[in-house]
Amino acid sequence: GAVVSQHPSWVICKSGTSVKIECRSLDFQATTMFWYRQFPKQSLMLMATSNEGSKATYEQGVEKDKFLINHASLTLSTLTVTSAHPEDSSFYICSASGDSDSGNTIYFGEGSWLTVV
Amino acid sequence: GQNIDQPTEMTATEGAIVQINCTYQTSGFNGLFWYQQHAGEAPTFLSYNVLDGLEEKGRFSSFLSRSKGYSYLLLKELQMKDSASYLCAVKDSNYQLIWGAGTKLIIKP
Repeated sequence: GAVVSQHPSWVICKSGTSVKIECRSLDFQATTMFWYRQFPKQSLMLMATSNEGSKATYEQGVEKDKFLINHASLTLSTLTVTSAHPEDSSFYICSASGDSDSGNTIYFGEGSWLTVV
Repeated sequence: GQNIDQPTEMTATEGAIVQINCTYQTSGFNGLFWYQQHAGEAPTFLSYNVLDGLEEKGRFSSFLSRSKGYSYLLLKELQMKDSASYLCAVKDSNYQLIWGAGTKLIIKP
């Protein structure tokens, strides 16, 4: 079945630095990828939707200059948290949809725990 | 506005059956998903319904009624590992996913 891989699983960075999270679709072409963040005991919050080759669409309240999203190919999207602060510490999850034998199914990556110290 | 409603928390006994309901009001409908999410992990796909009726997959089944804006996830022969949050999500007319807040399922021995 379709698999989405996310890396790194865990990352600790210093306040003020930037960190990049990768999301790859391993056996299908992901025309659309979604980035979410989730705080403990809360539901998923959609941050942005990215379509291959075009600019990401950000949800209201999400700073596009802080959360840079690149979807340069049909198998890779990246989220870069720039000038990270402790309040950016969260669980970041990507998901991908595209043409696969799973049809309309949207698959999630394993998620990335970001801790900013 | 668009809205997905599901119970916040449910408790069930190991070996029993539990039904988690989801009602939705969305602008259009292009499918309903159920996901399982264990604490600290990403969601895992369980089922996808786009037509009315029951979809059975092992111990898990999902039902959809589009006219009622209603779905349920049925879990049989509950196991302790089924303790998790169960998320209902609907794809609207713009193919945007609208998420429910999730139902935390607690399984007791």
